[in-house]
Amino acid sequence: GQNIDQPTEMTATEGAIVQINCTYQTSGFNGLFWYQQHAGEAPTFLSYNVLDGLEEKGRFSSFLSRSKGYSYLLLKELQMKDSASYLCAVRDRGGGYIPTFGRGTSLIVHP
Amino acid sequence: DGGITQSPKYLFRKEGQNVTLSCEQNLNHDAMYWYRQDPGQGLRLIYYSQIVNDFQKGDIAEGYSVSREKKESFPLTVTSAQKNPTAFYLCASSTLGEGDTEAFFGQGTRLTVV
Repeated sequence: GQNIDQPTEMTATEGAIVQINCTYQTSGFNGLFWYQQHAGEAPTFLSYNVLDGLEEKGRFSSFLSRSKGYSYLLLKELQMKDSASYLCAVRDRGGGYIPTFGRGTSLIVHP
Repeated sequence: DGGITQSPKYLFRKEGQNVTLSCEQNLNHDAMYWYRQDPGQGLRLIYYSQIVNDFQKGDIAEGYSVSREKKESFPLTVTSAQKNPTAFYLCASSTLGEGDTEAFFGQGTRLTVV
């Protein structure tokens, strides 16, 4: 199985930049996903990384280093609506290609 | 529009009762999943299915059962054997295999034991 570690909670100011880290241990890495989840709602897909490097999508970027078992989600120009939980999920070949989720990072954006 | 639908949104169960949570998708996805989410925890996998009439246990399958008689449907039954069923249940679906095959989630069912 995978061990996935994320910070439990982070706070940031509106308009600022925040970086949410995710570390993982897996034997057959086959992709890493980031999801956003507002309280009481379904997670929604943000990004996917399978090769090393940075993937940019508007205000959100995600980075992966497979050798270090490390990813981060970078949120720029923070808005109040970005207050949510951010879930890191890792897919493993040995696990039937089923993604395993971390506990999530609760991000609080304040004015 | 294509999507994945869970029902009901809220469900109350008495001690000792079985309840069934519905999950339907029209995305033509082969894979479907059930996750449980508790406060302060991530999503924990209960069961998954990658083909009709076949399913596999996840990390916390005890006290739950599923069926996959149709590609579109993957209902979850919470049995009386599940000792702590109060939680938020999420159903998801995806295409199979490698690549950018992200999971699409239903809106969730919040189950409360009364």
